[in-house]
Amino acid sequence: EVQVLESGGDLVQPGESLRLSCEASGFSFSAYAMSWVRQAPGKGLEWVSAIDGDNRRGTHYADSVKGRFTISRDDFRNTLYLHMDSLRVDDTAVYYCVRPRVSLAGTRYFDPWGQGTLVTVSS
Amino acid sequence: DIQMTQSPSSVSASVGDSVRITCRASQDISSSLGWYQQKPGKAPNLLIYSASSLQSGVPSRFSGSGSETYFTLTISSLQPEDVATYYCQQTDSFPLTFGGGTKVEIK
Repeated sequence: EVQVLESGGDLVQPGESLRLSCEASGFSFSAYAMSWVRQAPGKGLEWVSAIDGDNRRGTHYADSVKGRFTISRDDFRNTLYLHMDSLRVDDTAVYYCVRPRVSLAGTRYFDPWGQGTLVTVSS
Repeated sequence: DIQMTQSPSSVSASVGDSVRITCRASQDISSSLGWYQQKPGKAPNLLIYSASSLQSGVPSRFSGSGSETYFTLTISSLQPEDVATYYCQQTDSFPLTFGGGTKVEIK
């Protein structure tokens, strides 16, 4: 079964850092580009960041997180990461790890989604 | 950035009714559009990709159409289990962007 499982969400203060992890199973992780999508409480979906697969390491970021967040992956551990620095109150959200439905380069329709991990930034 | 605008923001319909949701892109995105369903307290679920292709396992009452800047999601016969918020997403270029969502309720 194809699964992604996020972890690392926590309550932190503004300005602090946090690293999210996403463990993948049931598919050839290295072949897939991966993304993070977030959802603030009661709000809509916001794509955050993406990293290429197939040993290409191109990365992409939303303007709202560029320069503060870093996406990375460990294909030996089948794990995706999101390192978040200088966290702000408006970064509070459930963060989802997502995989494209197929491994074809440029495919960006997400299926499956993890259950999400909650990041709360508050003083 | 490509802006995605959904309408209506909410709709209430009876079981068996046909429901249509629209999504407009701020520029031509060809057929690079997906639709997702999110039930309360759950992660989103992919329904439609490439504007009109039905994702495996999704009931055939869901259909998508459109191209360039105008897209629609239709639920042909609304069922109680379709109560959810629906989002469109453009995949033409980074940053990927979602519409604001349409909440579907039963009247």
